[in-house]
Amino acid sequence: TQLLEQSPQFLSIQEGENLTVYCNSSSVFSSLQWYRQEPGEGPVLLVTVVTGGEVKKLKRLTFQFGDARKDSSLHITAAQTGDTGLYLCAGVLTGNQFYFGTGTSLTVIP
Amino acid sequence: DARVTQTPRDKVTEMGQEVTMRCQPILGHNTVFWYRQTMKQGLELLAYFRNRAPLDDSGMPKDRFSAEMPDATLATLKIQPSEPRDSAVYFCASGSGDNNSPLHFGNGTRLTVT
Repeated sequence: TQLLEQSPQFLSIQEGENLTVYCNSSSVFSSLQWYRQEPGEGPVLLVTVVTGGEVKKLKRLTFQFGDARKDSSLHITAAQTGDTGLYLCAGVLTGNQFYFGTGTSLTVIP
Repeated sequence: DARVTQTPRDKVTEMGQEVTMRCQPILGHNTVFWYRQTMKQGLELLAYFRNRAPLDDSGMPKDRFSAEMPDATLATLKIQPSEPRDSAVYFCASGSGDNNSPLHFGNGTRLTVT
């Protein structure tokens, strides 16, 4: 059983479209992180959110942490082909234990 | 630019053989994690070390998997005997031990057991 469920699992969109990826759990996390992974490489951190309700922006990417610190979303505005990759959320429990979500594979078509 | 180094990059072996994967964490990091990634299960936590001591290996099949940190610059994950269902990409990651700091991943070892 996965601690964190992500949806959708796969997403294929046209360049310029907007999209939202969701990360849900029944557990409360100390913090939540989003990573992006490209083929043949390990995941790389995009952002860390710590406070319930927190919103962080990274250029065209907007990250939100749920008020109860159990869920998060990633919104991409005007997707570009360079956004293609596997997006992973990771919940951090007390004691510095990192649990990763099931992943969302995004393909942006030119 | 500090990186986590994993070796080998690729490993193909026959069922029943022993496999050892190695990881050099970033100097100064005190936490090391081993994950296994498959299409079906995603990233599964296998083992977690803090200051070289194993804190959690509940995700690891104990009968065939073992993880150790002989010193602060080396973490190993061993499978003996290997089985086809162990085929996956194995990632090592290190961190500073702070809940708000990121994990730094190596590029993984792609294991194929035939």
